[in-house]
Amino acid sequence: QKEVEQDPGPLSVPEGAIVSLNCTYSNSAFQYFMWYRQYSRKGPELLMYTYSSGNKEDGRFTAQVDKSSKYISLFIRDSQPSDSATYLCAITDSWGKLQFGAGTQVVVTP
Amino acid sequence: DTAVSQTPKYLVTQMGNDKSIKCEQNLGHDTMYWYKQDSKKFLKIMFSYNNKELIINETVPNRFSPKSPDKAHLNLHINSLELGDSAVYFCASSRVRTELGSSLHFGNGTRLTVT
Repeated sequence: QKEVEQDPGPLSVPEGAIVSLNCTYSNSAFQYFMWYRQYSRKGPELLMYTYSSGNKEDGRFTAQVDKSSKYISLFIRDSQPSDSATYLCAITDSWGKLQFGAGTQVVVTP
Repeated sequence: DTAVSQTPKYLVTQMGNDKSIKCEQNLGHDTMYWYKQDSKKFLKIMFSYNNKELIINETVPNRFSPKSPDKAHLNLHINSLELGDSAVYFCASSRVRTELGSSLHFGNGTRLTVT
């Protein structure tokens, strides 16, 4: 079993909808939580970063961490076709390595 | 101005050949990494260097050998290439080590195809 689980999708939504993505992780010692966005044929780029339970908002993006359930989420409001990409969760494990989820492919249709 | 650049972008080669991928970062970061992304988009760490010192060496065939001549450069040499080595290889850097909470800056990848 992977330490970070993420549904690979694809997830198709109409423009303007809310996109909801999530990951679960296995070890409560994991401490830093990130979301990366990867466009086709590009490297991943950091989207959101948090280290505590609760919500963090940045424009149309909200990252949510629930340490008690070992569950993290990313919400994208008012989705745009330019949000079409693969979204990867990443969590720093107890050895300090960044463990990535499998990535969820999101397609926003106009 | 590209922060993490790797060359070449594409690499097509035959089984048994030896090839190298180069990476350079101009962010002044201390730590650099090699990640492998397979066809299912799963990113897996291979190696990490901090100030030219190897700090992470995952279970990777010893045909893969990283080299860091200075903290701004990290190269990857692969001997005796096999079909299963086909993947996208990403170089990344971070300001400090990830166990201190640092995030990664990635290059745009090298697409390796072994025929």
